[in-house]
Amino acid sequence: QQQVKQSPQSLIVQKGGISIINCAYENTAFDYFPWYQQFPGKGPALLIAIRPDVSEKKEGRFTISFNKSAKQFSLHIMDSQPGDSATYFCAASIGGTYKYIFGTGTRLKVLA
Amino acid sequence: DTAVSQTPKYLVTQMGNDKSIKCEQNLGHDTMYWYKQDSKKFLKIMFSYNNKELIINETVPNRFSPKSPDKAHLNLHINSLELGDSAVYFCASSQSDRVIAGELFFGEGSRLTVL
Repeated sequence: QQQVKQSPQSLIVQKGGISIINCAYENTAFDYFPWYQQFPGKGPALLIAIRPDVSEKKEGRFTISFNKSAKQFSLHIMDSQPGDSATYFCAASIGGTYKYIFGTGTRLKVLA
Repeated sequence: DTAVSQTPKYLVTQMGNDKSIKCEQNLGHDTMYWYKQDSKKFLKIMFSYNNKELIINETVPNRFSPKSPDKAHLNLHINSLELGDSAVYFCASSQSDRVIAGELFFGEGSRLTVL
């Protein structure tokens, strides 16, 4: 129940295309859903996050879609660029527990 | 000015040795974490300290001992290193309250290789 399932494991997209990464969870107590971006040799960095009171959040080319009833959320990267090539992690947390459960990661490669 | 800094960045050592990794954050956060990232990139929580108090201790061998001398520092000492300990260890911090989860800020990682 504490798992967050992420797919796909890897993704190759042409420059200018849309990258979509999906995550699913079981625990309805989760109330914070961030996405982290990790470049090789670096630590993960927060990209965008959403709380379950909204169904969508957009920041620039990055959008989180959240479906509370289906217990799913996804990251959409519009107009994907080679500089977006990185590993992306979804995560979920429950406020006050200090515990963040990470998905297994998606390696995105954007071809020039 | 680095927000979460870890040292050393690389560690190569023999099985059976003891090693330490140090972490410092200058964000004024009250909670610090150690995460382990294995070769498949899985990120798993190991420990968390809130105001110097241990609040998360996952199923980690007791060869791993964290220590938080103050809110800004969290160290990780590993005794009797084993091959399976080879991984990247990330320190992170957050300013989380009892109700709302906050952003995690990660360091750049310490890559441990046990030979």
